[in-house]
Amino acid sequence: AQSVSQHNHHVILSEAASLELGCNYSYGGTVNLFWYVQYPGQHLQLLLKYFSGDPLVKGIKGFEAEFIKSKFSFNLRKPSVQWSDTAEYFCAVNDDNDMRFGAGTRLTVKP
Amino acid sequence: KAGVTQTPRYLIKTRGQQVTLSCSPISGHRSVSWYQQTPGQGLQFLFEYFSETQRNKGNFPGRFSGRQFSNSRSEMNVSTLELGDSALYLCASSLDWTGFTEAFFGQGTRLTVV
Repeated sequence: AQSVSQHNHHVILSEAASLELGCNYSYGGTVNLFWYVQYPGQHLQLLLKYFSGDPLVKGIKGFEAEFIKSKFSFNLRKPSVQWSDTAEYFCAVNDDNDMRFGAGTRLTVKP
Repeated sequence: KAGVTQTPRYLIKTRGQQVTLSCSPISGHRSVSWYQQTPGQGLQFLFEYFSETQRNKGNFPGRFSGRQFSNSRSEMNVSTLELGDSALYLCASSLDWTGFTEAFFGQGTRLTVV
């Protein structure tokens, strides 16, 4: 099974700062990629997903992610974060066998 | 439509006991996956069931087991509980087992082993 690495454990930003969260996976074959978000006290929900096509995918709430196959990466970005983006973010990879998650990145946005 | 329902929401058990957690998937979803979430470890894959069959299993000891019923509801069981089993256990349901379907998560069952 593949492994998923999220390099940033905790990121602290001020409102309006730009965000980039890293995600790398180990599997060399065809994968489907996801970013999930868990707001405080809420269940995990899907932010965006990549199956094929344009490697730059847009999700909800102004988030986007870019799939770079040569780097086995699927980094999450947002040009200007808001206090309400404070949450934990999980990258997930599905190789049509099972879905594996990264350890998560906790984002704290200071007002 | 109703989301994924996990019961109970909270559990406190003593070392050595066993526990059963329940997950009711979204109506029409046939795949159910279980994850263990702990701080710093993220979500660790436990197992996945599809049409009452275990499709895949993560790297957990045999004390962790599960099953799925004909109505797609799933249960997971942990026997001989250890302190390290304290975690949030999440269930996710999806239409089928392929990677092209979104997983919908329940609120989880928080298990505390004392």
